[in-house]
Amino acid sequence: QKEVEQDPGPLSVPEGAIVSLNCTYSNSAFQYFMWYRQYSRKGPELLMYTYSSGNKEDGRFTAQVDKSSKYISLFIRDSQPSDSATYLCASGGNNDMRFGAGTRLTVKP
Amino acid sequence: DTAVSQTPKYLVTQMGNDKSIKCEQNLGHDTMYWYKQDSKKFLKIMFSYNNKELIINETVPNRFSPKSPDKAHLNLHINSLELGDSAVYFCASSPKAGPRPEQYFGPGTRLTVT
Repeated sequence: QKEVEQDPGPLSVPEGAIVSLNCTYSNSAFQYFMWYRQYSRKGPELLMYTYSSGNKEDGRFTAQVDKSSKYISLFIRDSQPSDSATYLCASGGNNDMRFGAGTRLTVKP
Repeated sequence: DTAVSQTPKYLVTQMGNDKSIKCEQNLGHDTMYWYKQDSKKFLKIMFSYNNKELIINETVPNRFSPKSPDKAHLNLHINSLELGDSAVYFCASSPKAGPRPEQYFGPGTRLTVT
């Protein structure tokens, strides 16, 4: 069992839709949780990270962590074609870090 | 002014050869990493160095050897290349002793072993 599970998609939505991306993790020792965005043939870029349960908002992006259920989510409001990319969730702690497989998102104009 | 740079960008080589990938960061960060991303986009940490000291060494073949001459550089040397080594290799850095969530990735080196 992978330590971070993520539905690889692909996910296709119309412009303006609300996107929900989800991951689960299994290691209770994980302390921090992140979302990265990766455009085709580029390196991942950090979108958001948090150490705590609850919501963290940055513009159109909201990261949500529920440590009790080991659930990580990313919501994208008013999605744009420029949001089309692969989104990677990750979690880590104690000299360990694991990434999910990534969800490929396409936002159609 | 590139933050994390890698050379080369593409590397095509034959099985059995030895190759190196170089990484440099100009962010003043303390920690650097090597990741492997396979054809299914699965990103897996290989090594992590904090100020030239190895802190993470995942289960990778000992044909892979990282070398950190100083905290701004982390190179990856691969001996006796195999077909299964074909992947994209990313270097990354983070500002504090890692591993940390805030990581800055390089553009990747696409390695193809024939």
